[in-house]
Amino acid sequence: SAVISQKPSRDICQRGTSLTIQCQVDSQVTMMFWYRQQPGQSLTLIATANQGSEATYESGFVIDKFPISRPNLTFSTLTVSNMSPEDSSIYLCSVDGTGDADEQYFGPGTRLTVT
Amino acid sequence: QKEVEQDPGPLSVPEGAIVSLNCTYSNSAFQYFMWYRQYSRKGPELLMYTYSSGNKEDGRFTAQVDKSSKYISLFIRDSQPSDSATYLCAMSGGYGAQKLVFGQGTRLTINP
Repeated sequence: SAVISQKPSRDICQRGTSLTIQCQVDSQVTMMFWYRQQPGQSLTLIATANQGSEATYESGFVIDKFPISRPNLTFSTLTVSNMSPEDSSIYLCSVDGTGDADEQYFGPGTRLTVT
Repeated sequence: QKEVEQDPGPLSVPEGAIVSLNCTYSNSAFQYFMWYRQYSRKGPELLMYTYSSGNKEDGRFTAQVDKSSKYISLFIRDSQPSDSATYLCAMSGGYGAQKLVFGQGTRLTINP
């Protein structure tokens, strides 16, 4: 499976600022996904990012708040804009596998705290 | 009602016990069933996945799917303290449907 890294691993940010999270994969992948995982909760899909096209956002998530870039087949960024304490969460990127199951492989996550 | 239901626990068992983790689901379109393990402060790690009904074994882990009951299980034999983690089930329609639906996760502790 692909090796996925995320930067930063954690950050503490002030209300009203923005943070960009980077996701790097060691091989070319078709689909990249961004999730949010709040403490003690499951994973919530924010958006799906295809290279060369606009990201597809899930209900409740909008591009102005969570702009995503996907400039090539190994890299993506998620920006959390105009942050509030409610944005404190773990943000995870994942990539699609090569099997029929639509399995995904995850990065280590970015732990964000907004004060 | 959530598409996938999973008891969040916590579940605490002694070392060496057999652990049973379960999920139920409501969407009959799900074809692939996955189990992820997530250690504290780490990303989820894919343990195994199964297609349709039946069993799949990988070392001490066995995944079981009963589509007629919309019920899946993960069994861990000879449990070890290193198995202490949160276990998440996930499901998909497969064949490019792409979207995974996750359970809430069960926090498991194996006591030495």
